[in-house]
Amino acid sequence: GAGVSQSPSNKVTEKGKDVELRCDPISGHTALYWYRQRLGQGLEFLIYFQGNSAPDKSGLPSDRFSAERTGESVSTLTIQRTQQEDSAVYLCASSSYGETQYFGPGTRLLVL
Amino acid sequence: QKEVEQNSGPLSVPEGAIASLNCTYSDRGSQSFFWYRQYSGKSPELIMSIYSNGDKEDGRFTAQLNKASQYVSLLIRDSQPSDSATYLCAVYTSGTYKYIFGTGTRLKVLA
Repeated sequence: GAGVSQSPSNKVTEKGKDVELRCDPISGHTALYWYRQRLGQGLEFLIYFQGNSAPDKSGLPSDRFSAERTGESVSTLTIQRTQQEDSAVYLCASSSYGETQYFGPGTRLLVL
Repeated sequence: QKEVEQNSGPLSVPEGAIASLNCTYSDRGSQSFFWYRQYSGKSPELIMSIYSNGDKEDGRFTAQLNKASQYVSLLIRDSQPSDSATYLCAVYTSGTYKYIFGTGTRLKVLA
């Protein structure tokens, strides 16, 4: 079946603008995760969803970051008032609990 | 102490040799272990998963898990230049529902 998809694949925005990143998980996967990866760095956990609730938002860097998920389907990560340090690849992954996480191709965000 | 530790490398091996990648973790309650490969500019892709002590083989790849010593390793036999990538170790603990990733080991296979 289809894998995890993310859109847009690339996003260039100006400092101060809001951006919305979308993730479409593998059908049937109850868990959905967002990560950030800066150039040359490891994966930074942002938030995970269990169904449409987010029990752990501890990784969100600031209150400019928020995320929501509709049922066990699409999730959006919103970054308000973007800053240059937000430039990174944002990766989404989905899984059944404890099982393999499958990653989407990522959204490359560049804040000018 | 980091929750999941990996040597950042680079680990350089000649083509055809065995590459050995190691990972240690701190949470004894961890139950699922994964190795991902990440090529530059790409997202991580699963290489192996392992859930119980011992070895698990898949083609040229062997994952080894030792829960008593809290380490998991990945062996790549007959290494190829196309294996050159960063290898990420990930550990899942059911109590947290989180996958904790190491920072990755960069592998270079020299032709």
